[in-house]
Amino acid sequence: DSGVTQTPKHLITATGQRVTLRCSPRSGDLSVYWYQQSLDQGLQFLIQYYNGEERAKGNILERFSAQQFPDLHSELNLSSLELGDSALYFCASSVRVGPYEQYFGPGTRLTVT
Amino acid sequence: QKEVEQDPGPLSVPEGAIVSLNCTYSNSAFQYFMWYRQYSRKGPELLMYTYSSGNKEDGRFTAQVDKSSKYISLFIRDSQPSDSATYLCAMRGSGAGSYQLTFGKGTKLSVIP
Repeated sequence: DSGVTQTPKHLITATGQRVTLRCSPRSGDLSVYWYQQSLDQGLQFLIQYYNGEERAKGNILERFSAQQFPDLHSELNLSSLELGDSALYFCASSVRVGPYEQYFGPGTRLTVT
Repeated sequence: QKEVEQDPGPLSVPEGAIVSLNCTYSNSAFQYFMWYRQYSRKGPELLMYTYSSGNKEDGRFTAQVDKSSKYISLFIRDSQPSDSATYLCAMRGSGAGSYQLTFGKGTKLSVIP
């Protein structure tokens, strides 16, 4: 158990809908990363937050957004969902911004029908 | 050409064998190299974390980095059925804004009793 928690474990929704994925980092970790894992693309970085501020953006679609709250939990919002958004979404945390180890949560499996 | 290339396998070995897993990369800015293990439908688990070139050993696992060849390896000695999983290499740079991980697509390993 990495200490990173994610809810829900599974999410099934229809195209065009909006969902929110939640992540709680390990105790003491200030930085949160979101990744998407699909069969064809593998694990891809979406966005990073540190202590409430956005720090880096990767291949994140405009329909997706995220935020980190004062208690350091983070939410990833996915809107206008398409079939191709079906994937595993992982959150990882590290103690600070910098070359520190990232520890991954168990993921949220999103299925868009 | 993808930034990180990893043979997807599958790789099947008998119990007790030495396993060699490899990745090549093209981005010379990568300075930190990691290996993650991912069991089916679980989050990636950090196995090894190395900086720059050289070897690092942890129990049955040895990570090697050859920056001159842009090639990293993970060796597993005395492989066990519990090692059956997908192994992901990951890497990142050292400058601000480069701490997100770039992953290989993973090699699926089966250790046969």
